[in-house]
Amino acid sequence: NAGVTQTPKFQVLKTGQSMTLQCAQDMNHEYMSWYRQDPGMGLRLIHYSVGAGITDQGEVPNGYNVSRSTTEDFPLRLLSAAPSQTSVYFCASSYSEGNEQFFGPGTRLTVL
Amino acid sequence: KQEVTQIPAALSVPEGENLVLNCSFTDSAIYNLQWFRQDPGKGLTSLLLIQSSQREQTSGRLNASLDKSSGRSTLYIAASQPGDSATYLCAVGVDQAGTALIFGKGTTLSVSS
Repeated sequence: NAGVTQTPKFQVLKTGQSMTLQCAQDMNHEYMSWYRQDPGMGLRLIHYSVGAGITDQGEVPNGYNVSRSTTEDFPLRLLSAAPSQTSVYFCASSYSEGNEQFFGPGTRLTVL
Repeated sequence: KQEVTQIPAALSVPEGENLVLNCSFTDSAIYNLQWFRQDPGKGLTSLLLIQSSQREQTSGRLNASLDKSSGRSTLYIAASQPGDSATYLCAVGVDQAGTALIFGKGTTLSVSS
């Protein structure tokens, strides 16, 4: 198993550009989440999904969109990038309710 | 609003020492608590998961305890080694699925040989 994979590893955007951060898992996990990690702020939940077709907002959802059309994939879309979205983004998954979460290696995003 | 605090923010110990990392949370209505390790520039590695009905979990030299009523968890590391140097993160699951995690800011541990 590859586990949780994220692409790209690094990305530089200009203000106003849009892009999609990819997250995939091959462990047949039902639950998937997106977090951002900022110095001094820790990790904060952006969006999460408890199954295909079901998503919900976390602590900091503004400026981000998600959808979950398959069990394996959970892409995060930045609609119009802002410098405040410069961060490291982590995707996580877990098998079912209450199980431990497994994290991907992260995507480092810089918005100029 | 749930808040998670980890004390101390940084800790330096000599090799071989036993140590305790602390985690506190403001709302006892949690579904689980998970301890992670993060190496610089890397993702998170799950260390231990404690369900809300459990008191402790053990894995090798690691032991995590949970006291929901007092809003506290501790991570005990026995016989520390230089390879234990990393940032340790505590996170509480706040939705019924335990999927929505609220994280503390971490304790950065340095173990010297």
